[in-house]
Amino acid sequence: AQSVTQLDSQVPVFEEAPVELRCNYSSSVSVYLFWYVQYPNQGLQLLLKYLSGSTLVKGINGFEAEFNKSQTSFHLRKPSVHISDTAEYFCAVSDRGRFITQGGSEKLVFGKGTKLTVNP
Amino acid sequence: NAGVTQTPKFQVLKTGQSMTLQCAQDMNHNSMYWYRQDPGMGLRLIYYSASEGTTDKGEVPNGYNVSRLNKREFSLRLESAAPSQTSVYFCASSEAIKYRRDEQYFGPGTRLTVT
Repeated sequence: AQSVTQLDSQVPVFEEAPVELRCNYSSSVSVYLFWYVQYPNQGLQLLLKYLSGSTLVKGINGFEAEFNKSQTSFHLRKPSVHISDTAEYFCAVSDRGRFITQGGSEKLVFGKGTKLTVNP
Repeated sequence: NAGVTQTPKFQVLKTGQSMTLQCAQDMNHNSMYWYRQDPGMGLRLIYYSASEGTTDKGEVPNGYNVSRLNKREFSLRLESAAPSQTSVYFCASSEAIKYRRDEQYFGPGTRLTVT
């Protein structure tokens, strides 16, 4: 079974400052990793995903994340945030092996979320 | 192309009442999911359907039933609502083709209050 820990429940930053949202995962098998964003009163949308290959993954809205297998981490970063980045961010993990053997239907395990507030 | 739609957007129930949350997707996706979101808990999977005609339990299935009506529609039923089921419910879908990893697309959510 997998688990995800988002180390900060709330992160306040000033506009144009850099930000890092931390995510650690636990799994006994190979995993796929995702970051989702939820704007107020909306559903979730995918920011970026790590499936394989380069450990530095670039996503939408200038976000990027780095997969570190030895530290079981997948931290999200942005060099300069905007007010519009204020949202809740969720890290998620899925079992790579289960998906392949079952022929579909990834089961995502989500972290508890990090609320990013960007202040002027 | 509406993506994933959910009805209703808001609902208030009394304890013991029943209701069905509806979800539909127009992306021809194979897999569909129901999650609940509670403050400080993230999203937890209630049930999922890998393909038309199949359903499986997720992390928190107790008190819920689901029906995969056809490839487009996946409904969630509360037979006897309890205050602990007060939550925001999200439906999601994914293409989930074997050996590919596709993102899940989420609906806008249903905010349910049980009094």
